[in-house]
Amino acid sequence: EPEVTQTPSHQVTQMGQEVILRCVPISNHLYFYWYRQILGQKVEFLVSFYNNEISEKSEIFDDQFSVERPDGSNFTLKIRSTKLEDSAMYFCASKGQVMTNQPQHFGDGTRLSIL
Amino acid sequence: DQQVKQNSPSLSVQEGRISILNCDYTNSMFDYFLWYKKYPAEGPTFLISISSIKDKNEDGRFTVFLNKSAKHLSLHIVPSQPGDSAVYFCAASAGRDMRFGAGTRLTVKP
Repeated sequence: EPEVTQTPSHQVTQMGQEVILRCVPISNHLYFYWYRQILGQKVEFLVSFYNNEISEKSEIFDDQFSVERPDGSNFTLKIRSTKLEDSAMYFCASKGQVMTNQPQHFGDGTRLSIL
Repeated sequence: DQQVKQNSPSLSVQEGRISILNCDYTNSMFDYFLWYKKYPAEGPTFLISISSIKDKNEDGRFTVFLNKSAKHLSLHIVPSQPGDSAVYFCAASAGRDMRFGAGTRLTVKP
């Protein structure tokens, strides 16, 4: 069964440094998402991406964050100047069709640790 | 963002018994509801869903019930098995995007 893959599984970065989290969505999917889960808290929506542009973003997704689909397969989340509070699990998800009722499929996440 | 609420952070059930996980939502625009299961160090895995035009959807041991007037849905697992022990997230969608509840940790004791 096709799956969403995320790399790296664990990223350790110094505060203030830039970090890029990578995702390969399921190949024929059109709609892409990033979520985060701070330890012990709920899964929080960050951003959705469709047709090469951001569709919706939450208040968490401030100017420090950006997303990109640099080629036909990768979907990346960049944090420009990391803060301690950015430490969390970051999940990528994808969905086949835009407006139909379909589940999103998730990767296993990247654990981001900011020192 | 409290559009989707799971008020029970944990639930413990004996193997073979029924597990009932509950979820409430506030946004009447939601028309598609999902349950995800999450093991430690893994991403959420889709379990079962229901459209707002239905009030029940069943898949093997898993049944989701939707009460639109009460803005409430529940997941029934019967019989519960130790391998069902995980965190269960309720999610709701209004077409494009999805919002999650805080999750309920289910422990099924042998």
